[in-house]
Amino acid sequence: KNQVEQSPQSLIILEGKNCTLQCNYTVSPFSNLRWYKQDTGRGPVSLTIMTFSENTKSNGRYTATLDADTKQSSLHITASQLSDSASYICVVSVIMDSNYQLIWGAGTKLIIKP
Amino acid sequence: SQTIHQWPATLVQPVGSPLSLECTVEGTSNPNLYWYRQAAGRGLQLLFYSVGIGQISSEVPQNLSASRPQDRQFILSSKKLLLSDSGFYLCAWSVRRGSGNTIYFGEGSWLTVV
Repeated sequence: KNQVEQSPQSLIILEGKNCTLQCNYTVSPFSNLRWYKQDTGRGPVSLTIMTFSENTKSNGRYTATLDADTKQSSLHITASQLSDSASYICVVSVIMDSNYQLIWGAGTKLIIKP
Repeated sequence: SQTIHQWPATLVQPVGSPLSLECTVEGTSNPNLYWYRQAAGRGLQLLFYSVGIGQISSEVPQNLSASRPQDRQFILSSKKLLLSDSGFYLCAWSVRRGSGNTIYFGEGSWLTVV
């Protein structure tokens, strides 16, 4: 069964600290993996997209990693800011019947405290 | 640049009443269009997607329906709302081809059925 699991469910850290969010997937055949940021009550916004051959991709203070062998991805946030408070969602794309489908994780809720 | 608008942003409706959420995309043509629902603490659930005018695919059986009367207009409807229809609804679009394309979301619509 195609699944995407994220951990932790929620995380509270102090402003300025680093943190790492995890995404494990059991999806086949894998096409790509995205990380989205969703502010409360808003639509998700794409942060990164990684294909099978990419191990690392950065977007400012956000760095995503992908290990296609272990089917794990992480999102590392450096020097966190209050505006990083949001839910972070991992999404894996899978090819099924010549169409691609998106398998969404439940997200990690990140709270940055001053 | 492309933009996506959906409305209303917030809606409180009694059980059994009809529903109409509208979504329009500007700055692109022939987009794929999507309606998602997001329940608290859960991943995004794809409700409908459309690859063209009048072409609607339903992912989950329910009392909701979708229509695409114009290329860049997507409407989510219900004839009689249920309490379980409450949630956060997101319209989204992507370019037509390829699994590597990012999905861009609208601001979302909060629906409370009372």
